[in-house]
Amino acid sequence: AQTVTQSQPEMSVQEAETVTLSCTYDTSESNYYLFWYKQPPSRQMILVIRQEAYKQQNATENRFSVNFQKAAKSFSLKISDSQLGDTAMYFCAFISSNTDKLIFGTGTRLQVFP
Amino acid sequence: KAGVTQTPRYLIKTRGQQVTLSCSPISGHRSVSWYQQTPGQGLQFLFEYFSETQRNKGNFPGRFSGRQFSNSRSEMNVSTLELGDSALYLCASSLGPPNTKNIQYFGAGTRLSVL
Repeated sequence: AQTVTQSQPEMSVQEAETVTLSCTYDTSESNYYLFWYKQPPSRQMILVIRQEAYKQQNATENRFSVNFQKAAKSFSLKISDSQLGDTAMYFCAFISSNTDKLIFGTGTRLQVFP
Repeated sequence: KAGVTQTPRYLIKTRGQQVTLSCSPISGHRSVSWYQQTPGQGLQFLFEYFSETQRNKGNFPGRFSGRQFSNSRSEMNVSTLELGDSALYLCASSLGPPNTKNIQYFGAGTRLSVL
């Protein structure tokens, strides 16, 4: 069975600094996607970034980038130039061609301080 | 384009009652998935509907049910409510069945409190 693990329950960072959130996963599948979702206090789950397993190049979306290490089954999220609005729960998620549903990690609560 | 809309935002019920939650997907999306979010269990998959058919179901008791209408709107129903059903219920829609090609977009959820 596929599992997603986020080992950092809480993290904090000062505004304008860089922070990295960790995620590891376990699967025997070869065709899958990995996601980072952000859930601010408003509760709306927002897609931050996604990575296709077949692509070697790490995905980047503005200040957000990932470090995808397929062999190590690691998928970390780097947030550069952190902003107060980045304060939220961040969930790592996995989906494969055989699961048909998102499998989430337990989340990391990120607090950005001024 | 409007996002995924869930109603109501908040709901308070007592044990033994039943409740119906509604989800309107993004226009053009035909798949709706439901997730339960609790502090103890995290985010857990409930079920998924595509073209009015339930394609996938999570490990929840039969008290949890759902349906999808011809306009892709979906409802989920929980009967004989228990205290442990208190949770944030999230709905997500996608163009087609959720897989590696169809990204799921989430609503803001319905917060259900069972007293």
